[in-house]
Amino acid sequence: SQTIHQWPATLVQPVGSPLSLECTVEGTSNPNLYWYRQAAGRGLQLLFYSVGIGQISSEVPQNLSASRPQDRQFILSSKKLLLSDSGFYLCAWSFTTDLAEAFFGQGTRLTVV
Amino acid sequence: QQPVQSPQAVILREGEDAVINCSSSKALYSVHWYRQKHGEAPVFLMILLKGGEQKGHEKISASFNEKKQQSSLYLTASQLSYSGTYFCGTEAAGNKLTFGGGTRVLVKP
Repeated sequence: SQTIHQWPATLVQPVGSPLSLECTVEGTSNPNLYWYRQAAGRGLQLLFYSVGIGQISSEVPQNLSASRPQDRQFILSSKKLLLSDSGFYLCAWSFTTDLAEAFFGQGTRLTVV
Repeated sequence: QQPVQSPQAVILREGEDAVINCSSSKALYSVHWYRQKHGEAPVFLMILLKGGEQKGHEKISASFNEKKQQSSLYLTASQLSYSGTYFCGTEAAGNKLTFGGGTRVLVKP
């Protein structure tokens, strides 16, 4: 069976510090991978989307970036965090077939102080 | 472009019904529905194809009106466990999944 791991679960970082959130998927090959952000009480905002190694689509221009160095590894990064980067970050994966549901990781609650 | 959900929030008593709508300005290929409990990851409920499909999950069902570019989620005889935030997601080319702003549902005893 497939599983998705996302860490850390919580993170408090000062403004201007770097960020690295990691997500890995087990039990499948060549999944679609997603990073979403959810501000407090808000919807799921798609940040990045990847259909393969090194293939990243950015949905929202900002100071975040994503990389996919391996087939089942997706990393969200920032060189300098802003207060507005605070939120609940969710990694998700899906099969590449049509009508594939998304499976979410447990999320990382990031607070920038 | 994100789909638009309405209402933003709904409060109902156990056993009551509610409807959540999801609409898009773009042609929809499929619509996903997910439920998120507070502080947890969203959990998949169902996917609907264009063509007026209807589906059900327990006493939660949904319909997809392709002409109106709209999907509706029906919470029937609601239970306390139905509380949470419901998201609709629309699928574009290449499986890119974009979600609406969510509808917060609170079911009271």
